[in-house]
Amino acid sequence: DVKVTQSSRYLVKRTGEKVFLECVQDMDHENMFWYRQDPGLGLRLIYFSYDVKMKEKGDIPEGYSVSREKKERFSLILESASTNQTSMYLCASSFVSVADTQYFGPGTRLTVL
Amino acid sequence: AQTVTQSQPEMSVQEAETVTLSCTYDTSENNYYLFWYKQPPSRQMILVIRQEAYKQQNATENRFSVNFQKAAKSFSLKISDSQLGDTAMYFCAFMKRTGNQFYFGTGTSLTVIP
Repeated sequence: DVKVTQSSRYLVKRTGEKVFLECVQDMDHENMFWYRQDPGLGLRLIYFSYDVKMKEKGDIPEGYSVSREKKERFSLILESASTNQTSMYLCASSFVSVADTQYFGPGTRLTVL
Repeated sequence: AQTVTQSQPEMSVQEAETVTLSCTYDTSENNYYLFWYKQPPSRQMILVIRQEAYKQQNATENRFSVNFQKAAKSFSLKISDSQLGDTAMYFCAFMKRTGNQFYFGTGTSLTVIP
């Protein structure tokens, strides 16, 4: 079974703090993704990576950065957390082949006070 | 740009009954893939079913089936013999054949009533 894990299920941070969200997958997937999920807005892509050290901006990259130093790990960084970044963050991974299924992690619910 | 629309924010169905969730999308692509994902309460998102646009036959997975109307750009999900475990948020998603990016709808929250 594919396993995608995220470092925390719940996280509370203060405005201005630097926040790291970690995602690890164990299936040797090339692609990894970070989404945020908000009620009424569905899932919106923040960043994705198709290889180590490679990254592409998604639809809402502002205020976020990412790091992929190893194939199995994809980190989302909030350089200076703000209250409007309070959300559920979902990580996903997939093989690079056409239309392969994305496998999701359990999500991290981040609250920024 | 691709957009995916789910016009039913919430739905409910009696246990053992059938329910249909609607999804429409907008694209100028001819080759693409469509997906339905399920997110149970406090649990991980999982794939329910997927459809390849070049296939005319509607995809089926046990109690889940789709009605894919390419000309109308419609991709509805039918759940037969609904079970309590079907209670979840359901997301419709689109992916271009040549891309890696998924485009998700806003979701439909389905409640199965005992």
